[in-house]
Amino acid sequence: KQEVTQIPAALSVPEGENLVLNCSFTDSAIYNLQWFRQDPGKGLTSLLLIQSSQREQTSGRLNASLDKSSGRSTLYIAASQPGDSATYLCAADSNSGYALNFGKGTSLLVTP
Amino acid sequence: DAGITQSPRHKVTETGTPVTLRCHQTENHRYMYWYRQDPGHGLRLIHYSYGVKDTDKGEVSDGYSVSRSKTEDFLLTLESATSSQTSVYFCAISDYGTGGVTDTQYFGPGTRLTVL
Repeated sequence: KQEVTQIPAALSVPEGENLVLNCSFTDSAIYNLQWFRQDPGKGLTSLLLIQSSQREQTSGRLNASLDKSSGRSTLYIAASQPGDSATYLCAADSNSGYALNFGKGTSLLVTP
Repeated sequence: DAGITQSPRHKVTETGTPVTLRCHQTENHRYMYWYRQDPGHGLRLIHYSYGVKDTDKGEVSDGYSVSRSKTEDFLLTLESATSSQTSVYFCAISDYGTGGVTDTQYFGPGTRLTVL
């Protein structure tokens, strides 16, 4: 079974800082890895999807990287803003290519 | 935002009663999923569907059944609700991606279910 771990569980940074969220997974035979954002009491918003053949994806101030061989992914957030405060979830599929296995998330607080 | 709705959004029920949650999509995506989210456990897959009438079990399928008679609708049924099924339930959809595997999953707004 694919196990996904996210470190740290919580992070507080001042506005403007660049930050990195970490995700590790146990089964390197993945097809996709996805990063999501979840605001309190809300659903999940897809941020980035990295296919197994790719090493990184970028969207605005977000950059996600994937290293299958080491079982790691990172989400880099540049010039953080208070509006970035949310829980960030990493999810990796298994070799079935269907279901996602989620980490427990990193709760990010960006203070003005 | 992907066109996914879930109904009801909130429900309170009693132990032993049947409950059906509905997920409706307007994207014509092939794959649909039901997850539950619980503190300390994160999101876990209950069941998924890879086509009309084609479904399979996920990690936590005991006590749940699903049905998909149309592309746009995926129903989750708790035959006899228990307090351990108190949770937030999320529906998700995805379509074909490259390489024959699924693409980005998009999530609905969730249903908060309380079983007393």
